[in-house]
Amino acid sequence: DADVTQTPRNRITKTGKRIMLECSQTKGHDRMYWYRQDPGLGLRLIYYSFDVKDINKGEISDGYSVSRQAQAKFSLSLESAIPNQTALYFCATSDFRPAGGPETQYFGPGTRLLVL
Amino acid sequence: KQEVTQIPAALSVPEGENLVLNCSFTDSAIYNLQWFRQDPGKGLTSLLLIQSSQREQTSGRLNASLDKSSGRSTLYIAASQPGDSATYLCAVNNYGQNFVFGPGTRLSVLP
Repeated sequence: DADVTQTPRNRITKTGKRIMLECSQTKGHDRMYWYRQDPGLGLRLIYYSFDVKDINKGEISDGYSVSRQAQAKFSLSLESAIPNQTALYFCATSDFRPAGGPETQYFGPGTRLLVL
Repeated sequence: KQEVTQIPAALSVPEGENLVLNCSFTDSAIYNLQWFRQDPGKGLTSLLLIQSSQREQTSGRLNASLDKSSGRSTLYIAASQPGDSATYLCAVNNYGQNFVFGPGTRLSVLP
């Protein structure tokens, strides 16, 4: 089984609808992230969470909200979807080590979202 | 604000060639730099991670170098194969901050 899973893998919705993208991980990491990827722009950070009680806005959080239900689960919601939120969304986890050592990110397979 | 660029945006080479992908960043006070591979419709897979104290890392046919002072990293792929075709992204991490990704280089290796 994959270490980081995302559901759904593909989603088509209409403008104004509320949708939720879910992410689960079995790596035991405290840190989780949501990114969106648009052609030619790389990945941009939407929200991140360093533990269940610590949630922070990223570069492009407007129009999005998140919920960290447990260490292993981090959900992204679009309260009222709009067409320019059409993108590929990735969840990631990382293994930050306060005592030292590199921080490596592990990514889910992505959710392709189309907002009509 | 850290900014990451990658050149070229796309590259097409015949099988067997050695090639270099470039990554530049504006803030040299990085903690580490990571190279990823992304296959169409799939997530990112980490290839190499270089800590700020290191100059290079190697894995098989891949070699990544880091020059913090000039704000540059290169990913060298030796003896390229069609299976290397993918998009390659670099990401930098400034201590206490989050990863910043470049836009990627789309590589095609022709049989």
